[in-house]
Amino acid sequence: DVKVTQSSRYLVKRTGEKVFLECVQDMDHENMFWYRQDPGLGLRLIYFSYDVKMKEKGDIPEGYSVSREKKERFSLILESASTNQTSMYLCASSLINGDAFFGQGTRLTVV
Amino acid sequence: ILNVEQSPQSLHVQEGDSTNFTCSFPSSNFYALHWYRWETAKSPEALFVMTLNGDEKKKGRISATLNTKEGYSYLYIKGSQPEDSATYLCAFSGGYQKVTFGTGTKLQVIP
Repeated sequence: DVKVTQSSRYLVKRTGEKVFLECVQDMDHENMFWYRQDPGLGLRLIYFSYDVKMKEKGDIPEGYSVSREKKERFSLILESASTNQTSMYLCASSLINGDAFFGQGTRLTVV
Repeated sequence: ILNVEQSPQSLHVQEGDSTNFTCSFPSSNFYALHWYRWETAKSPEALFVMTLNGDEKKKGRISATLNTKEGYSYLYIKGSQPEDSATYLCAFSGGYQKVTFGTGTKLQVIP
């Protein structure tokens, strides 16, 4: 079975902190994605990566950056957390144009 | 931002009823259309991926059709059961591996 693991299930951070959300997949997938989920807005794409060291902006990249130094790991970085970044964050991986497999999600609260 | 729309936003049906939802997406730069099922407190799980105009997929009581020329897909559930209660997401895969999700249709099946 494909496994996508996010480092934390719940996280509470202070405004202005630098926050790292880690995601690891074990199926050698080329593509990895970071989404955030907010009520009424569905899943919105923050960043994605189709190869090591490659990254592409999604629909809402402002305030975020990403890192993909190894194929299996895709990190989302909040450079200076703000309260409007309180959300559920979901990582996913897939083969090219294949089904996405999701992690369990990280519920981030910024206070 | 790509426009991937789903309707209705939510739906309540009686057990045993059949139902269907719609996903509309851009008809240009089409690679694939995915359907996912998302149960509360779980991660989204893939149902179908369709790549060719006219594709039809079926899994048990759930089926899906695809029209890439006009940019829509239908998901059908025959004889809804309480365990079908979930949010159903469609996702459009266009050029450069970007995957954009719709906001979902939340289905509640009443016993």
